[in-house]
Amino acid sequence: QVQLVQSGAEVRKPGASVKVSCKASGYTFIDYDINWIRQATGQGLEWVAWMNADTGNTDYAQKFQGRVTVTWDISISTAFLELRSLTSDDTAVYYCARPDDQVDSAKYWGQGTLVTVSS
Amino acid sequence: DIQMTQSPSSLSASVGDRVTITCQASQDIKNYVNWYQQKPGKAPNILIYDASNLETGVPSRFSGSGSGTDFTFTISSLQPEDIATYYCQQYDDFPLTFGGGTKVEIK
Repeated sequence: QVQLVQSGAEVRKPGASVKVSCKASGYTFIDYDINWIRQATGQGLEWVAWMNADTGNTDYAQKFQGRVTVTWDISISTAFLELRSLTSDDTAVYYCARPDDQVDSAKYWGQGTLVTVSS
Repeated sequence: DIQMTQSPSSLSASVGDRVTITCQASQDIKNYVNWYQQKPGKAPNILIYDASNLETGVPSRFSGSGSGTDFTFTISSLQPEDIATYYCQQYDDFPLTFGGGTKVEIK
């Protein structure tokens, strides 16, 4: 079955960077896009980035341009989200999510990774 | 960016009630809308895709309708296990955008 397993919680100081991983299993990694979506505590869902490991294409939300990068390692079926110059506003749960042939954007979700930015 | 205006932000209803949530897009997005249910501490779960298609395994009391700019999500008979926050999401174009969410509670 399809699974997306994310790395564990992280704590960073303001100005630092964080890299969250999302290991995919149960399917061929390059066959589907991955979206990264975040959720601050008690808040709604916010799209961060998109990647297609087959074409090498990526897209980022404008508000994160310049400080976010998505990468991947096909050999280990793992996607990565790196966010730099962290502020307290980046404190959130970060999810990776994958569509399927019927459901666009996000049918399968990782369990989420809490990133806490605090001095 | 396409804005998704979801209402209400919260509602309280009795078990067995019909519950309706609306989402209005800032431009025509055809039927490119998903509806998710999210329970505390969990990732969202897809309920409806393409505005009106029920995801496999989702109870038939959930339904969706609409196209263009106006979309509706309905729970025909609210059950205690439906207590959650519900989100609409458009995928007509990047950036993907979500409605603000509707928190559903039992009266």
